[in-house]
Amino acid sequence: KAGVTQTPRYLIKTRGQQVTLSCSPISGHRSVSWYQQTPGQGLQFLFEYFSETQRNKGNFPGRFSGRQFSNSRSEMNVSTLELGDSALYLCASSLSTGSGDGYTFGSGTRLTVV
Amino acid sequence: GQNIDQPTEMTATEGAIVQINCTYQTSGFNGLFWYQQHAGEAPTFLSYNVLDGLEEKGRFSSFLSRSKGYSYLLLKELQMKDSASYLCAVRGTRDTPLVFGKGTRLSVIA
Repeated sequence: KAGVTQTPRYLIKTRGQQVTLSCSPISGHRSVSWYQQTPGQGLQFLFEYFSETQRNKGNFPGRFSGRQFSNSRSEMNVSTLELGDSALYLCASSLSTGSGDGYTFGSGTRLTVV
Repeated sequence: GQNIDQPTEMTATEGAIVQINCTYQTSGFNGLFWYQQHAGEAPTFLSYNVLDGLEEKGRFSSFLSRSKGYSYLLLKELQMKDSASYLCAVRGTRDTPLVFGKGTRLSVIA
């Protein structure tokens, strides 16, 4: 079966712009989680969605937002980009929240803010 | 709050055994996961422990002690391809997301 697909793979944006990242989970997986990965901080939790509802939200400013569609695909948006937003953004899908199977990650979107 | 600690870097020799430790403090406990992440790639699932004891999967084993808030990942017969970051992640309560440690970068040398 197809894995978790994230688009685009790479993005370069200018400070102040906004960006939308997309994630298509594994077929049948209803939970999608987003993480920001940076060398100094590791994986930091952004959001978790299940059946179009945001179940959990991490400690990120309101510039970071997301949503999930009825087909379980998810998008996250970052507005008014800052240099510190440069990171690898990872999407992970699982059958449900609390699944013992853990997450399957996509390859990520590497965002560079200049 | 939740806190997960693991060593930042480790080096081991090809063919040897290495143990990567992880200690955690969480509100509730609903499982501990280990992931492997090669440079520039996505993390991939290695193991899951929810009960105390050892889980073995080929060259990789993972141990959990819930009373001590402690886990380790044991890698046997190390190969050069095992050079990667190893991430420890804990789920506190059932409906909370995985919280990750910062990862241990393992270098396997000849």
